[in-house]
Amino acid sequence: RKEVEQDPGPFNVPEGATVAFNCTYSNSASQSFFWYRQDCRKEPKLLMSVYSSGNEDGRFTAQLNRASQYISLLIRDSKLSDSATYLCVVKFSGGYNKLIFGAGTRLAVHP
Amino acid sequence: NAGVMQNPRHLVRRRGQEARLRCSPMKGHSHVYWYRQLPEEGLKFMVYLQKENIIDESGMPKERFSAEFPKEGPSILRIQQVVRGDSAAYFCASSPPTLGGALETQYFGPGTRLLVL
Repeated sequence: RKEVEQDPGPFNVPEGATVAFNCTYSNSASQSFFWYRQDCRKEPKLLMSVYSSGNEDGRFTAQLNRASQYISLLIRDSKLSDSATYLCVVKFSGGYNKLIFGAGTRLAVHP
Repeated sequence: NAGVMQNPRHLVRRRGQEARLRCSPMKGHSHVYWYRQLPEEGLKFMVYLQKENIIDESGMPKERFSAEFPKEGPSILRIQQVVRGDSAAYFCASSPPTLGGALETQYFGPGTRLLVL
């Protein structure tokens, strides 16, 4: 079983749609959680950290369920510029700060 | 403040040659991480270094791969006797020194795309 699993997609949605991505992780000792965004052939960029209480940043909302070992990302009012691959990332406690990446979920927003 | 810099951005090697990838962390950052991304896959951790020390190399292949982060100069990821399966994007990230256990965000460089012919 992969340490971090994501639906690869692609998710094809029209502008203005709401879309949700899910991610599961296998190691219950996981400490920190993030969503990164990666545009085609570019470096990953931190989108947001994910906290147990859930957090929101503009159109983006992240949720964490430690009991189910599940992370989600909700994007409201999708824009064309949201088209990218969204990477679910986990850091395990005691893991020397190394990040464990999911393979990513591709999102394509069309007019 | 310049971001993480990597060079070269693209590197072509023939099988059996050596590849050297360089990474200069952000100013003030003393931690460097190397990740590899194979086509259509996620990033995989390779190695974590601080100045003159390898902290965690659990993701490094046992042979042909080595990494260093000298006191002066950039971090180097070295691949000897490259094979076609080494073709990938190699990303470097850096983070600031730990402050009492606070989380350190990793900032990624633009990557080096290695193609082995």
